[in-house]
Amino acid sequence: ETGVTQSPTHLIKTRGQQVTLRCSSQSGHNTVSWYQQALGQGPQFIFQYYREEENGRGNFPPRFSGLQFPNYSSELNVNALELDDSALYLCASSRGGSSRDEQFFGPGTRLTVL
Amino acid sequence: AQTVTQSQPEMSVQEAETVTLSCTYDTSESNYYLFWYKQPPSRQMILVIRQEAYKQQNATENRFSVNFQKAAKSFSLKISDSQLGDTAMYFCAFMKRTGGANSKLTFGKGITLSVRP
Repeated sequence: ETGVTQSPTHLIKTRGQQVTLRCSSQSGHNTVSWYQQALGQGPQFIFQYYREEENGRGNFPPRFSGLQFPNYSSELNVNALELDDSALYLCASSRGGSSRDEQFFGPGTRLTVL
Repeated sequence: AQTVTQSQPEMSVQEAETVTLSCTYDTSESNYYLFWYKQPPSRQMILVIRQEAYKQQNATENRFSVNFQKAAKSFSLKISDSQLGDTAMYFCAFMKRTGGANSKLTFGKGITLSVRP
């Protein structure tokens, strides 16, 4: 176990709805990265939060937004859900935002959009 | 932009034997890291091994070792003495070396490794 937790484990939504996914980082970590892993694919970087500020973003539309709290836990919000948003959402925490810092992954949230 | 290619979708190996997983990448960066991650059926992704591009020596971690060919942009993982617990998806990943911003991982599509008893 990595010490990174995510909730919920599974979620089913319908098109057009909004969803919030949560991630608790490992103790001592101030950086959280979010990834989307479609079935049979590798994870794709959504964005990263470092000390409560967005610290980089991948090629995802603005309806994917995030937040990091003072305790460094994080939320991923997705508005106007589309069928293609069905995926495993992974968060990873690290001690800092630098490439030297190993990213530790949570177990993921499986989102199904009907 | 960086790309990571894993062309073998599946591999199978007998327990106690050796298997090599292939990965190629493309980048214009000179300073970067390469990784192999393991994702067992329980889904939690864990780091297997990391290679720093400026180091010529290949990284090793117990039964896991890499063959890093920088000029060829090739980064293969060798698993020796395969164990049933090695059954998982394996992802090759790239990260540009940064001082503090946007330390994102770029992953390949992954390879499913099955270890047969």
